[in-house]
Parts: sequence; structure tokens; C-alpha cells
Amino acid sequence: DVKVTQSSRYLVKRTGEKVFLECVQDMDHENMFWYRQDPGLGLRLIYFSYDVKMKEKGDIPEGYSVSREKKERFSLILESASTNQTSMYLCASSPETSGRAAQYFGPGTRLTVT
Amino acid sequence: AQKITQTQPGMFVQEKEAVTLDCTYDTSDPSYGLFWYKQPSSGEMIFLIYQGSYDQQNATEGRYSLNFQKARKSANLVISASQLGDSAMYFCAMREVISSGSARQLTFGSGTQLTVLP
Repeated sequence: DVKVTQSSRYLVKRTGEKVFLECVQDMDHENMFWYRQDPGLGLRLIYFSYDVKMKEKGDIPEGYSVSREKKERFSLILESASTNQTSMYLCASSPETSGRAAQYFGPGTRLTVT
Repeated sequence: AQKITQTQPGMFVQEKEAVTLDCTYDTSDPSYGLFWYKQPSSGEMIFLIYQGSYDQQNATEGRYSLNFQKARKSANLVISASQLGDSAMYFCAMREVISSGSARQLTFGSGTQLTVLP
């Protein structure tokens, strides 16, 4: 079974803090993704990575950065957390295939910025 | 740009009955994939079923089936014989091709909250 883990289920941070969210997958997947989920808006893509050290902006990258130093690990960084970044953050991975590959998600991190 | 629309914010169904969750999409790509995910209250997104735009038959996976009507751009999820454990948020998603790199981005709808009544 594919397993995607995230470092924390719940996190509370103060405005202005630097925040690291870690994601690890154990299936040797090439592609990894970070989404945020807000009520009524579904999931929105922040960043994705298709290889080590490679990254691409998603739909809402502002205020975020990412790091992928190893294939199995994809980190999301909030350089200076703000209250509007309070959200559920979901990490996903998928294999490098041409078509039908689903994305497999971790359990999510509920981040509150006060 | 792609767009996924789920017009039912909430649905109720009686246990053991079938239920259809609606999803319409908009794309100019001839090749695309449609996915359904289930999100229980625990928060994890669970992949349910996939339909490719060139697939000749509707996808089925156990009690889940996808009613794919390409001309109408709809991809409704049908859950047969509903169970209490089916109560969850359900998301429809579409995969697009990224011009750079090989990652396949998913675009999600806003979701439908399904409640199964005993």
C-alpha cells in the first residue's frame, strides 16, 4: 500500500513565524504535491515537484516555498506565517506514468496561525 | 483553464439505497482524466475511481461506478447500496497535462457532503 505521512496532524503557530510542513512517501513516486483545503473552495494546488530539486508553482504559491532534496521527502515552508494561511494542508504523491495514475494523499496537517 | 463544478453542497441518502453525486467539467483538452475522492471526517483523501476521456466503458469499482457522459461533460459518481461508513465529503477532480515537467496536476471541485441515514 502507498503510504504518505505528514509530520504533524495539528499545528499552532504565531504570526511571523517560519513554519515547516514535512511530507514523506514510501513508494518511490516521482511526483509530489502540496495543496491547501478551505471550506467551500475544495483543494487548491500550492506547489508540486516532478523530480528531486525540481519544483513548479501551482495556483496559489504566494507566501509559500518548497524544498525537495530527496525523492521521498517534500517540504512546504511558510517563510512568515500569516493568519490567512490558517488552513488544512494536504500532501500527495503519484508515480510517473502517462495516464491513469491517481494521487495518494497523506492525512493532512491542520495549521492555525494566531 | 479547467473547471470542475459540483452543484450539491450536501446530500442525504437512506442506508442501502443508491445515490448519485453530480460533477460537471469544462476543458478544451481532448485527453483528460477524471477522479473521485472520498474524505471522511478524519481528513485523509481516499482515491475511489478513475475515468479516462477515451475509455469506452464507464468505470466501476465495487459499489462505486462513474456515469460518464462525454458530450455533456459530466462524470457523476454512483454509490450503490449505501452504508453508514459512506458518510463523507466527496470530491470530483480532473487531471490536466502540464506543458513543463511530467507532473499531472489535479483540479478539484468544491465537494459534496454525503450523509447516510440509518
